Amino acid sequence: EVQLVESGGGLVKPGGSLRLSCAASGFAVSTYNMHWVRQAPGKGLEWLSCISKNGATLYYADSVWGRFTISRDSAQNSVYLQMNSLRTEDTAVYFCVCLGFDGSGYNYLSPTTVVDYWGRGALVTVSS
Amino acid sequence: IQMTQSPSSLSAYVGDRVTITCRASQDIRSHLDWYQQKPGKAPKRLIYAASTLQGGVPSRFSGSGSGTEFTLTISGLQPEDFATYYCLQHIHVPLTFGGGTKVEI
Repeated sequence: EVQLVESGGGLVKPGGSLRLSCAASGFAVSTYNMHWVRQAPGKGLEWLSCISKNGATLYYADSVWGRFTISRDSAQNSVYLQMNSLRTEDTAVYFCVCLGFDGSGYNYLSPTTVVDYWGRGALVTVSS
Repeated sequence: IQMTQSPSSLSAYVGDRVTITCRASQDIRSHLDWYQQKPGKAPKRLIYAASTLQGGVPSRFSGSGSGTEFTLTISGLQPEDFATYYCLQHIHVPLTFGGGTKVEI
C-alpha cells in the first residue's frame, strides 16, 4: 500500500525554523517528482516546491523562495522541507505529494490512472 | 500563470448538473487537472489532461477545454459530491491552483 506520512509540524515563533519530513512507503521517491503543497486554514491549495525524480532540479514558489529548501534521501525513502524565517502567513497544513507528472508527461499506474499520492498533512502554526 | 476559478461557491440540489470554470492567464494547452477535496482530507484527482477521467472516478464527472478556458461538469450531483473543487495547471513552474469552488447543498 502506498503511503506518505508527514511529520515535524508544530508551533514555532515568527523568524523560527522547522523541518518537515515525508516518509514514503509502497514506492520509491526517486521514481517520481515529489512536491510540497500547503493549505492555510479555511483557504485554498498553494503549490510550494518540487524536487525532480533524479534530485537534480528544485523548484519553488515565489512565496517561499530563499526561505524553504526541499531535499530528498533515497536511502530513507523520504522527502524533506526545511523552512526558515517563518512568518505568520506560513501557518498551514503542509502536504507531501506525488502529483504524477514530469517534463515527459503523466506517470501512469494503469492505462487510465495517473499517480496521485498525498499525505494526510502536517500542521505548521507560526505564532508568537 | 494565474488560474481564475469560478464560481467560488455554489448551492445545488442532488441530481443537478453543475459546471465549474477555470481560466488561465495564458495558454496552458491541456496541462490542467481537476481535484476534489472533502473537509479534513487530502485532495483527490478527478480529471487529468483537461478531459481524461482518472480511473475509479464516476463517469458523472467530466472535463473539457484547452488553451485558456476549462470546465468541470458534474452531471447528476450526488450527496458525496458536496466538496471543494480545484483546478491545477502544470505546464509552467510555479504550478498554480485555482482558488477553489465549494459545492454546497
